[in-house]
Amino acid sequence: GAGVSQTPSNKVTEKGKYVELRCDPISGHTALYWYRQSLGQGPEFLIYFQGTGAADDSGLPNDRFFAVRPEGSVSTLKIQRTERGDSAVYLCASSYGGLYNEQFFGPGTRLTVL
Amino acid sequence: AQKITQTQPGMFVQEKEAVTLDCTYDTSDQSYGLFWYKQPSSGEMIFLIYQGSYDEQNATEGRYSLNFQKARKSANLVISASQLGDSAMYFCAMKRRGGSNYKLTFGKGTLLTVNP
Repeated sequence: GAGVSQTPSNKVTEKGKYVELRCDPISGHTALYWYRQSLGQGPEFLIYFQGTGAADDSGLPNDRFFAVRPEGSVSTLKIQRTERGDSAVYLCASSYGGLYNEQFFGPGTRLTVL
Repeated sequence: AQKITQTQPGMFVQEKEAVTLDCTYDTSDQSYGLFWYKQPSSGEMIFLIYQGSYDEQNATEGRYSLNFQKARKSANLVISASQLGDSAMYFCAMKRRGGSNYKLTFGKGTLLTVNP
């Protein structure tokens, strides 16, 4: 079956602009995660959805970052007033949830803020 | 707080030989899961192997095995019979039960290079 997909694969924007990153999880997966991976680092947790609700947004760095999952499937990560420090690869993952189920990752969106 | 430590920034191995990638973790939880992911230069994270904290036997998946030493809080990945396609970044990660959130905490990774 289809894996997790993310669009766009690359996004270049200017400082101060607004961007939206989209994640389409594996069908049937109730849990959806966003991670951010800076150069030379492992992914860092941003936000977790169980169904439509953001069950844990403790990883969002500040209030410029926001994410939604209105119908419990596709999710959009929104970044307002982008800064150069936001440049990173944004990874989305989905799973059936729970401690013992692996998370399946998408290919990521590489965001570059000039 | 959870922490994953991967002390080897880079490792080299000859094709067809075995290699061990180190991972230690720190947690006060009794119930947790340990994962290894592979990230090729294409960027996608590929799940390799899982070990639960209550599993008594070491996990194995084909050429991958996880050397789990709970008392030492280590979860090393062993790759047998290395192939050129194994060249990639490898991340150790931990998942814990925090309410309903099962987020992964990752180490910084080890870059494995397989030489022909």
